[in-house]
Amino acid sequence: GENVEQHPSTLSVQEGDSAVIKCTYSDSASNYFPWYKQELGKRPQLIIDIRSNVGEKKDQRIAVTLNKTAKHFSLHITETQPEDSAVYFCAATSGTYKYIFGTGTRLKVLA
Amino acid sequence: GAGVSQSPSNKVTEKGKDVELRCDPISGHTALYWYRQSLGQGLEFLIYFQGNSAPDKSGLPSDRFSAERTGGSVSTLTIQRTQQEDSAVYLCASSGGSPYGYTFGSGTRLTVV
Repeated sequence: GENVEQHPSTLSVQEGDSAVIKCTYSDSASNYFPWYKQELGKRPQLIIDIRSNVGEKKDQRIAVTLNKTAKHFSLHITETQPEDSAVYFCAATSGTYKYIFGTGTRLKVLA
Repeated sequence: GAGVSQSPSNKVTEKGKDVELRCDPISGHTALYWYRQSLGQGLEFLIYFQGNSAPDKSGLPSDRFSAERTGGSVSTLTIQRTQQEDSAVYLCASSGGSPYGYTFGSGTRLTVV
């Protein structure tokens, strides 16, 4: 079945450094790739997304890149801040509406 | 409503009992999704509803799990004869008829003792 792999499972960075989280997907028909941030005890919230006709998208300190040929996409956070500490999930569409999520990356930003 | 509402927020039940979890999507959203998040794990797809189409039930883990959506709005996820491995946070999401950006509810934390 469809699968999304996410690495690393945990990531610690010093405040101000960059963080990169990588995902691969198996369904070549996937055409939409959202990223969600989940703070402890809270609901996942969409932070950025990218569609398959675009290779890169940026929103302030956050960027996402997509390589459709390799079925890879990545989240880049620059100038990390303590409030960036959370669990981040990537996802890829499967079929028309369903998302398959990665297993999550716990990011810790050390002050 | 302004957001996706789920109730109850917490539910403790005894093994073997049935439970019902409720989701009230954003008004006008035609697509509704249920996911399960076990402690420290990712989000596992359970089921989704889109308009009047037959639901995609491919993620339901066993026949003890069922869901319905009445009138194209509120959805109920039912777990019969609960087991300890059913303990998890059950998240509901909705979207406006496209897959571009689900909005999640706060979830129901189910504990089976």
